[in-house]
Amino acid sequence: GDSVTQMEGPVTLSEEAFLTINCTYTATGYPSLFWYVQYPGEGLQLLLKATKADDKGSNKGFEATYRKETTSFHLEKGSVQVSDSAVYFCALSDQGNAGKSTFGDGTTLTVKP
Amino acid sequence: DAEITQSPRHKITETGRQVTLACHQTWNHNNMFWYRQDLGHGLRLIHYSYGVQDTNKGEVSDGYSVSRSNTEDLPLTLESAASSQTSVYFCASSDPKTGRAEAFFGQGTRLTVV
Repeated sequence: GDSVTQMEGPVTLSEEAFLTINCTYTATGYPSLFWYVQYPGEGLQLLLKATKADDKGSNKGFEATYRKETTSFHLEKGSVQVSDSAVYFCALSDQGNAGKSTFGDGTTLTVKP
Repeated sequence: DAEITQSPRHKITETGRQVTLACHQTWNHNNMFWYRQDLGHGLRLIHYSYGVQDTNKGEVSDGYSVSRSNTEDLPLTLESAASSQTSVYFCASSDPKTGRAEAFFGQGTRLTVV
């Protein structure tokens, strides 16, 4: 079955540091890929997405590129802020089964001033 | 604004009791999902529905049931609560007809079974 493997956390960075959170996946076919963010006490919010190979999703300074050859969708941000502290989830869903997703275990990011 | 709401936000119940968690969405989405979130496991799919009268089992469906009598609601029932069902539960909805592949999540329900 489908699976998502995320870089283990927690990750602690200083403000303005570069962020990478690795994500690789196993799936049949051509899934859509997502990064969701969860702030304390809240539900998950979509951060960015990519629906086909070589697509780059971007939002709020975060980026991730759908790499079919390496089955990866790594999340990056050039300069993190304290407000980026949250839990980040990589996820995939089959094309045509929107919302029925397989999630990674989540990576907790803490950014210190 | 359209939204998805879960109730209650927090619930404490005793082992063996039946518990129902509510989920209501106003987007008119056909697809609705229930996930549970546990430390070290990410989110795992419990049940899902692709429309009225349609329900399907997910990865961790034992001990849970759902029913879909209208588009807006997908209540999750724990038939006989167990301590292993202590978790945070998230409802989500989506509709591929909108052209958007992602899910929209509620705020979550924290359930404690004592």
